[in-house]
Amino acid sequence: KAGVTQTPRYLIKTRGQQVTLSCSPISGHRSVSWYQQTPGQGLQFLFEYFSETQRNKGNFPGRFSGRQFSNSRSEMNVSTLELGDSALYLCASSSRLAGTNNEQFFGPGTRLTVL
Amino acid sequence: QQQVKQSPQSLIVQKGGISIINCAYENTAFDYFPWYQQFPGKGPALLIAIRPDVSEKKEGRFTISFNKSAKQFSLHIMDSQPGDSATYFCAARGHTGTASKLTFGTGTRLQVTL
Repeated sequence: KAGVTQTPRYLIKTRGQQVTLSCSPISGHRSVSWYQQTPGQGLQFLFEYFSETQRNKGNFPGRFSGRQFSNSRSEMNVSTLELGDSALYLCASSSRLAGTNNEQFFGPGTRLTVL
Repeated sequence: QQQVKQSPQSLIVQKGGISIINCAYENTAFDYFPWYQQFPGKGPALLIAIRPDVSEKKEGRFTISFNKSAKQFSLHIMDSQPGDSATYFCAARGHTGTASKLTFGTGTRLQVTL
């Protein structure tokens, strides 16, 4: 069974630009969660999608948005990039809503650098 | 607000030694406490998890000790091996209405030396 895939793996953008990251969950998984990982803050929850609906949201500004498609693939978008948005963005999938005892499987992440 | 505090930030242990990582939480409503292991270039992977009605859980060389009254839990790695060198994250599950999410600690970078 293929794992969670994220594209692209690396991305360099400049301040003010916008970026779209993609996540393909494990086949059959309907829940996709997004996290931002930075050295100082660790993993910070962004949002979770289940069956194309946002079910939970973290404390991030509205510049961070996401969506999920009918095939469970998910995208997250960051508009008006700031230097502080430089981070590893991780996607995790699970077969049920994340936060249950159902394990979340993480992808390798997309490393975003904002110059 | 950081709701799960993890320490130490980094840890160096000799091969064969015991690695101990500690986490403390504030929200007494947390009901599930997993530990994740992350290798460079990889996403975190679930290592072991515990519920608050259990004081200890052991899987191979990995043990979680849970102290509900102190709101603390820890990961013990017995007979630490160089292959255990990774970053470890504790987490706790909380609920808001019908939604739930994991809150992570800031991570501990473990290095096991020969």
